[in-house]
Parts: sequence; C-alpha cells; structure tokens
Amino acid sequence: AQSVAQPEDQVNVAEGNPLTVKCTYSVSGNPYLFWYVQYPNRGLQFLLKYITGDNLVKGSYGFEAEFNKSQTSFHLKKPSALVSDSALYFCAVSDVYNFNKFYFGSGTKLNVKP
Amino acid sequence: NAGVTQTPKFRILKIGQSMTLQCAQDMNHNYMYWYRQDPGMGLKLIYYSVGAGITDKGEVPNGYNVSRSTTEDFPLRLELAAPSQTSVYFCASSYSPDTDTQYFGPGTRLTVL
Repeated sequence: AQSVAQPEDQVNVAEGNPLTVKCTYSVSGNPYLFWYVQYPNRGLQFLLKYITGDNLVKGSYGFEAEFNKSQTSFHLKKPSALVSDSALYFCAVSDVYNFNKFYFGSGTKLNVKP
Repeated sequence: NAGVTQTPKFRILKIGQSMTLQCAQDMNHNYMYWYRQDPGMGLKLIYYSVGAGITDKGEVPNGYNVSRSTTEDFPLRLELAAPSQTSVYFCASSYSPDTDTQYFGPGTRLTVL
C-alpha cells in the first residue's frame, strides 16, 4: 500500500534560518510526489511536485524539495525562513497504479519566530 | 475565474440527518475529488470523478455518495449523518490526475451532534 509519513508534528525555526520539513514515502514503482501548504481556514495550495528528472525541485515562494530515491524521502527546504511561511505543510504521493488516488501525510506545523 | 467553490462554509447536523455538500469549478477540469480532513490528520480521499458520469471510491467512501452530472459540479451526499463524519471537507479539481496540481476549495466544516 502507498503511504506517506511526516515524522514531525511541528517544526520551529527562527526567521532567516534555513528550514527543513521531512517527508518519507512507501510506494512501489516510481512515485509522483507533491508538497502542499495550508493556511488557517483555507484549502490546500500547491507548492511543488516531483515527477521525474532532476532530484532538486524548485517551487513557489522560494521553497525547494529534494527527491532521494535510496532514502525514499522528499524533504521540503527553504534557505531563509519568513514569519509568513508559518503554516501547515502536507506531503502527498499519488498512487502509481491509479493516479487519481492521492495519499497525504498527517501534516507538519511550521512555526517561524521573528 | 472563481476556481473551486464550496457551499456551505459551516454546517451543524443532528445524527441521522442528510445533507449535500456542493462543489463547483470553472476551470473545465475533468478530474474532481472529495477529501475529509480530521483534526491532526492528513486528507483522506472519499470519492473522485474522472469526468461527467464517472465516479469511483477513494480510501474512505462509507457513508457518502456522489454524482457527477456536469463537468462543473461534484456534490457529496451524506445520507445518515453520524458523529464520525464530523470533519472538514475539501473539494479539489485538476486538469490531469498525475502530473497536474490539484486546486482546492476553501472547505466545509461539518459538525454532527
């Protein structure tokens, strides 16, 4: 079965410091991986995706993610955090046998302190 | 473009009542999805549709029904509401299911008492 794990419920970082939000996956085949962000009382917004090609994917708002097949990870990163980055972040993977089915991680709350 | 719209924003139901959550998109997307988000959890797929007249079950379909008579609309029906259906419901749509992003509506917060 396909699954996604986000091992940290919460990540705290000071503004200006680099941030990492972790994601590991368990799928057979070659997965499509996504990161979404959710602000309070809002729907999810797309940040970036990995389909194929370069393992370092650049996305919206200065975020990037690195696909590591050997470690089955897809960690979200940003070189310099902003207070406005504080939100809930979800990693997701699409089912390789049915691309209509997405599996989301449980989410990581990012707190960026001034 | 309004994107993906959902109504109502909030609703309180009594056990055993029925209701329909509305979802509409104006992006001419064929693929539409219903998710539920429980506190502290990720989203779980309830149902999805690959086009008008075609729907299929997701991870957690029990207690729900859907229909897709037009490309634009994808309503979710709760027939006999139960407290376990207390959740935030999100509708999403996409142009293609695998490589395209999903566009999410603002959500409907449902409480069943």
